[in-house]
Parts: sequence; C-alpha cells; structure tokens
Amino acid sequence: EAEVAQSPRYKITEKSQAVAFWCDPISGHATLYWYRQILGQGPELLVQFQDESVVDDSQLPKDRFSAERLKGVDSTLKIQPAELGDSAMYLCASSRGLAGPGEQYFGPGTRLTVT
Amino acid sequence: EDKVVQSPLSLVVHEGDTVTLNCSYEVTNFRSLLWYKQEKKAPTFLFMLTSSGIEKKSGRLSSILDKKELFSILNITATQTGDSAIYLCATTGNQFYFGTGTSLTVIP
Repeated sequence: EAEVAQSPRYKITEKSQAVAFWCDPISGHATLYWYRQILGQGPELLVQFQDESVVDDSQLPKDRFSAERLKGVDSTLKIQPAELGDSAMYLCASSRGLAGPGEQYFGPGTRLTVT
Repeated sequence: EDKVVQSPLSLVVHEGDTVTLNCSYEVTNFRSLLWYKQEKKAPTFLFMLTSSGIEKKSGRLSSILDKKELFSILNITATQTGDSAIYLCATTGNQFYFGTGTSLTVIP
C-alpha cells in the first residue's frame, strides 16, 4: 500500500540553527500539505501545494519558514533560524486533488526538538 | 473566524462502554467533515461526511453529520483498549481546519 514518506523521523537541533524536512507524497497525488502539530493540539496547516504551486501559505511564518515543491512531487520544509517554540511534530499529507472533498493521507511525521 | 470545536477534550471509559464524541464547526464554504484517529503517530482516516443525516459505519464506529446545526458525532460502541487515541475532526471549506481533538482512554 502506497504511503507518504517523511524524513527524518526525529530531529534535535539548537536554536538559531537551520533545519529541513523532506516529504514524498503518494504517487499521483497532486496536493501536498505541511502541518505543524504542537502537543495537545490539532494539526495546523502551514502550507498547501497543488502540483508545484502554493495554494495556501497564510499560516506559514515566512520570516523563518520556507517550503518548496519544485517538480510537483516531493517537498522540503525549511526553518531558519529555529526557535524553541518550533518544537513540534511536522506532518506531511497528500491527497488526490484540490477540487472537492477528499481524505488526506498522512506521513509518519518528523518530531522536532529545539534546544 | 472559522473554527472547529471538539468536546469533550478528554474522556476515560471502561471497556465495553459506548462513547459519543462531538465536533461542531463554523467554516466558510463548508464542503465536508472528516474524522481521524491519532495514536502515537500520524492521524489515520476514519470517515468523510458530506451529507446530513446519512450515517457512515465501520465496525463499532459510526458517524453522522448535521449540516443544519453544524455538528457531527462519532460513536464508538463496545469500546476496547485499542480504541485509546486522540480523535480529530477536520473540515474542508476555504481551508482545511482540524479541531484540537478528544483524547479517549479505555481502561480494562
């Protein structure tokens, strides 16, 4: 069964350092999402791609976060510089398309700890 | 402001009990409501609801949507310890919104 792949699974970094996460969606899924989930809260959408284009990045802290999906397949989320408050689970999800309701399939997530 | 609110925030029950989890929403251009189960990993999809009054059922889990009163419920009958998890609801509309989840603990 196809799955969303993410790496690394765990990352510990010091504040002010740069960190990057990678996501490979299910083959054929045009829409890719990055979420941040702080312990005890629901996932918060950071950025949504349709193919290689950003559809929604209204909740992305653009002063330190960036995301790209250059060829419309895999994607990278970067934080520079990392802050203590960035400690969270970063989830990537994909779905078939943008139009109409549809379930998202989540990757295993990257647990980030900033010290 | 769009929002998705789940209740209760946490729940502890004994095996065999029946539980009802609630999700209310106020979102712009609502299209669907989804339920997910999250254990110590990423959320896994349970149900997608788009029409009022039509129950979706999978084993001991069932869910229904009320688009007039803007809420959904997730029922779990004959609970088992493996049902212990956080249950998240999410809505699609202008954006994809998750609620904060209900933490369910089933004790033997």
